[in-house]
Amino acid sequence: DQQVKQNSPSLSVQEGRISILNCDYTNSMFDYFLWYKKYPAEGPTFLISISSIKDKNEDGRFTVFLNKSAKHLSLHIVPSQPGDSAVYFCAARPGGSQGNLIFGKGTKLSVKP
Amino acid sequence: KAGVTQTPRYLIKTRGQQVTLSCSPISGHRSVSWYQQTPGQGLQFLFEYFSETQRNKGNFPGRFSGRQFSNSRSEMNVSTLELGDSALYLCASSPDGSYNEQFFGPGTRLTVL
Repeated sequence: DQQVKQNSPSLSVQEGRISILNCDYTNSMFDYFLWYKKYPAEGPTFLISISSIKDKNEDGRFTVFLNKSAKHLSLHIVPSQPGDSAVYFCAARPGGSQGNLIFGKGTKLSVKP
Repeated sequence: KAGVTQTPRYLIKTRGQQVTLSCSPISGHRSVSWYQQTPGQGLQFLFEYFSETQRNKGNFPGRFSGRQFSNSRSEMNVSTLELGDSALYLCASSPDGSYNEQFFGPGTRLTVL
């Protein structure tokens, strides 16, 4: 039973446009959500996070939106750049837990010049 | 500051054998988490060690075990290897388990024949 779902295995976007990556979760006890980016042959890199008490967090070109009623979060990248091409993982932390993240299966983003 | 290192990077074993993977965290980091990444399941949490103690454990069989040494280096052991254990094994370190300060290593690619 997947508690964190990324239903789009891949996404292709034109350079300069907006990339929107989506993530759904089932466990209302998750209290912290994160996005990681992963290039081939490298480990995931932390990108941005959001606490469950917020609905938006912004960091430069990256914004994460959280809709708790819909159990849905999204990552917006504006403007998209070719260097953003990577696999993006959504992850959630069970409430009060340390060191244990539940990941989605990832979405491969391709940004075309 | 040197990043998280994992050795070996690639490993080929046969069914029934056992394997030990090593992870050296960033200097000063006391938390080390291990994850298994497979195409079908994404990243799945194995366990987390903090100050030589296992603090959290995922839903994996007892064939998967780990330990952490006084210098925070961690090892993961898989006994009686099965074909399904073929995966990328990632470790991540952080000062205390905080996710926005969690850094992943490049992983060890294990192939079981």
